[in-house]
Amino acid sequence: QKEVEQNSGPLSVPEGAIASLNCTYSDRVSQSFFWYRQYSGKSPELIMSIYSNGDKEDGRFTAQLNKASQYVSLLIRDSQPSDSATYLCAVTSNAGGTSYGKLTFGQGTILTVHP
Amino acid sequence: DTEVTQTPKHLVMGMTNKKSLKCEQHMGHRAMYWYKQKAKKPPELMFVYSYEKLSINESVPSRFSPECPNSSLLNLHLHALQPEDSALYLCASSHRTSELRNTEAFFGQGTRLTVV
Repeated sequence: QKEVEQNSGPLSVPEGAIASLNCTYSDRVSQSFFWYRQYSGKSPELIMSIYSNGDKEDGRFTAQLNKASQYVSLLIRDSQPSDSATYLCAVTSNAGGTSYGKLTFGQGTILTVHP
Repeated sequence: DTEVTQTPKHLVMGMTNKKSLKCEQHMGHRAMYWYKQKAKKPPELMFVYSYEKLSINESVPSRFSPECPNSSLLNLHLHALQPEDSALYLCASSHRTSELRNTEAFFGQGTRLTVV
């Protein structure tokens, strides 16, 4: 089983719709959860972080975390063509009190927003 | 300022060359990372430095040699690379809070490496 799994893509939604991206993780001690957006040929750009169960909203983006189900999601409301990119779910855990956390990525979901 | 700066942006090197990739951040982050990313794949962790000490080496071949001269700088020395090492090399940095939680990792724009 992969450490971080994302829903298979690609995902295509019409402009103005809600895009829903999902991610599950296997390590129960995971503590920090992130969503990155990556445009083709560019580096990953952080768009959301979430640390506690529940929802976190930032503009058109909402991240949801359920640690009991080991599940994290990202909703993009009023999707725009400029949101077309690969979305990467990333998870860190801090096992053993070490001074670092390994950031592990899912395989990414390609989102296309068509006009 | 959430900027991580990588140089060069593009690099073409022969299999017998020695080159270095450089990364710099001024956010006071004490964790710095090297990732390798192949096309259509997620970033793959190579090395982690924490407080200027190497804390993770993900079984990376010795032809890649990391160095952290100080808390703001991270280098990746390259020697005798193979064509399959061609990829986007990404540097990132992050904080660690008093609750032993890792905060967001910010990425540089990457170095596109081609080995010929």
